[in-house]
Amino acid sequence: DAKTTQPNSMESNEEEPVHLPCNHSTISGTDYIHWYRQLPSQGPEYVIHGLTSNVNNRMASLAIAEDRKSSTLILHRATLRDAAVYYCILRPYNNAGNMLTFGGGTRLMVKP
Amino acid sequence: SQTIHQWPATLVQPVGSPLSLECTVEGTSNPNLYWYRQAAGRGLQLLFYSVGIGQISSEVPQNLSASRPQDRQFILSSKKLLLSDSGFYLCAWTVGGANEKLFFGSGTQLSVL
Repeated sequence: DAKTTQPNSMESNEEEPVHLPCNHSTISGTDYIHWYRQLPSQGPEYVIHGLTSNVNNRMASLAIAEDRKSSTLILHRATLRDAAVYYCILRPYNNAGNMLTFGGGTRLMVKP
Repeated sequence: SQTIHQWPATLVQPVGSPLSLECTVEGTSNPNLYWYRQAAGRGLQLLFYSVGIGQISSEVPQNLSASRPQDRQFILSSKKLLLSDSGFYLCAWTVGGANEKLFFGSGTQLSVL
């Protein structure tokens, strides 16, 4: 299984940008990079995903390194509602993609 | 649209009692289904996943079992609960393909006393 490594926690000030890193040095060429976040006492929700190119949606941006061994989730202006645990996972483009494992994620704390 | 139902939201059970948690998905066919457990303050641990009716893969040896009696129904069971079974249980689904999103239910907070 390709694994991901994320910092345990990060802090940000409200209305400032946040860059959440994820290392996946053993990624294979067909693995998709997915990001999810989990608000307190809730199930995780999808944030964004990508393969090679950077991606933008209404929630966030995903910057993928050229060698794909790392990626960064960018929240352009953090709000208090963005305080959550953010998970970066890899989803292989084969049957192994059926087994979706999560690491510990990064707990983002947003200060007013 | 697709929805996932998971119940109950909270459950308090004595040690040694049985457990049955149910998860159903609507609006899709032949989903991949997942059970995760989350201990307090920890990450998500994959317990079981299923790619079809009657097909269950177990990731962690434990006191739990899973069944998929219908295409969109996934059940987590235990014959005798242990204290260590306490946690937040989450059901999730996706369709095949690395480009597809994973959708989670709202979870069941299980306390074994």
